[in-house]
Amino acid sequence: GEDVEQSLFLSVREGDSSVINCTYTDSSSTYLYWYKQEPGAGLQLLTYIFSNMDMKQDQRLTVLLNKKDKHLSLRIADTQTGDSAIYFCAESIRRDGGATNKLIFGTGTLLAVQP
Amino acid sequence: IAGITQAPTSQILAAGRRMTLRCTQDMRHNAMYWYRQDLGLGLRLIHYSNTAGTTGKGEVPDGYSVSRANTDDFPLTLASAVPSQTSVYFCASSGRGAPYNEQFFGPGTRLTVL
Repeated sequence: GEDVEQSLFLSVREGDSSVINCTYTDSSSTYLYWYKQEPGAGLQLLTYIFSNMDMKQDQRLTVLLNKKDKHLSLRIADTQTGDSAIYFCAESIRRDGGATNKLIFGTGTLLAVQP
Repeated sequence: IAGITQAPTSQILAAGRRMTLRCTQDMRHNAMYWYRQDLGLGLRLIHYSNTAGTTGKGEVPDGYSVSRANTDDFPLTLASAVPSQTSVYFCASSGRGAPYNEQFFGPGTRLTVL
């Protein structure tokens, strides 16, 4: 089946590192994503990782992928109050011989950054 | 306009009424999607369209219908609204050229069914 799971809430102090975790079930996923949703807004792509990579770093963001355990994590270094948002993990699902590309989203993790 | 727009921004609707949520994109993306967002459940796919003239069912299609008469527009219709359809609805699109299949989201429509 297709299922993506995340913890619902994470609280950190400004300046600390945040680590948001995600587990997924479809081993055929080509890409895995982290989306960010700020209050009252739609989702925006934060970063993504191709399934043949173990790690991707982009400024303060580090994505780690463990394909064996189907575990994805997002680390935010030096977390700021502006990072407070809901973070969604998502996996891509290809069906119909590749004609259909769908994303399966996790439940979202609310990151609260305390000043 | 640039990106995806949705209308209305919010709506309060009596149960049993018909409602169409509008979505328009100007990026010439071939694929479009409708999701609903509910607390503790994340985003769930309602319907999708790979290209103009085709549609498909997502995880939670019951009570909803869509059409894709052209590339830009992808309306979502609730034929007879029920309270369980109270949610925030997001439209999204993606283009064939994006190798990582990024989906671009609209600002959402907050729907309350009483």
